[in-house]
Amino acid sequence: RKEVEQDPGPFNVPEGATVAFNCTYSNSASQSFFWYRQDCRKEPKLLMSVYSSGNEDGRFTAQLNRASQYISLLIRDSKLSDSATYLCVVVSGSARQLTFGSGTQLTVLP
Amino acid sequence: NAGVTQTPKFQVLKTGQSMTLQCAQDMNHEYMSWYRQDPGMGLRLIHYSVGAGITDQGEVPNGYNVSRSTTEDFPLRLLSAAPSQTSVYFCASSYRSYNEQFFGPGTRLTVL
Repeated sequence: RKEVEQDPGPFNVPEGATVAFNCTYSNSASQSFFWYRQDCRKEPKLLMSVYSSGNEDGRFTAQLNRASQYISLLIRDSKLSDSATYLCVVVSGSARQLTFGSGTQLTVLP
Repeated sequence: NAGVTQTPKFQVLKTGQSMTLQCAQDMNHEYMSWYRQDPGMGLRLIHYSVGAGITDQGEVPNGYNVSRSTTEDFPLRLLSAAPSQTSVYFCASSYRSYNEQFFGPGTRLTVL
């Protein structure tokens, strides 16, 4: 089983739709969680951290469920500019290494 | 601030050739790392460094060497290129491994 698993998609949604991605992780002792965004042929960039109590940044909401070992990202009112690949990242171990999921591809259609 | 810079942007090598991918950052970050990204595999950690003079192996270190003589620079050396090393290589830096990672623009490497 992969340490971090994501549904690769693609998710094709119309503008204005709400879309949600999940990411599961295998190490129950994982310490920190993030969502990164990667545009086509570009480098990944931090979208948001994921906190235990859940957190929101504008149209984006991130949640953590430690009991079931998954994190989620909800995007409301999708924009064309949200089209990208979304990578979940889990920090684990004494060296606090990052493990990246393989990414979920989102295309927002006009 | 330039952030994280990588050179070259593109490279084609023949099997058996060696080369060095350059990475530099101007944010005074202690932690630097190299990843490779292959379709369907996500980013995989090759080597990392927690400070000048300190390096360690990541998930996929075979065939690669690194050194960290200064805080700013973290070059990645391919010793004898193989077709399996065809990939996109990203360098990243941060204050600590668990802080926000700042990535360079990537190097697209093809080994024939």
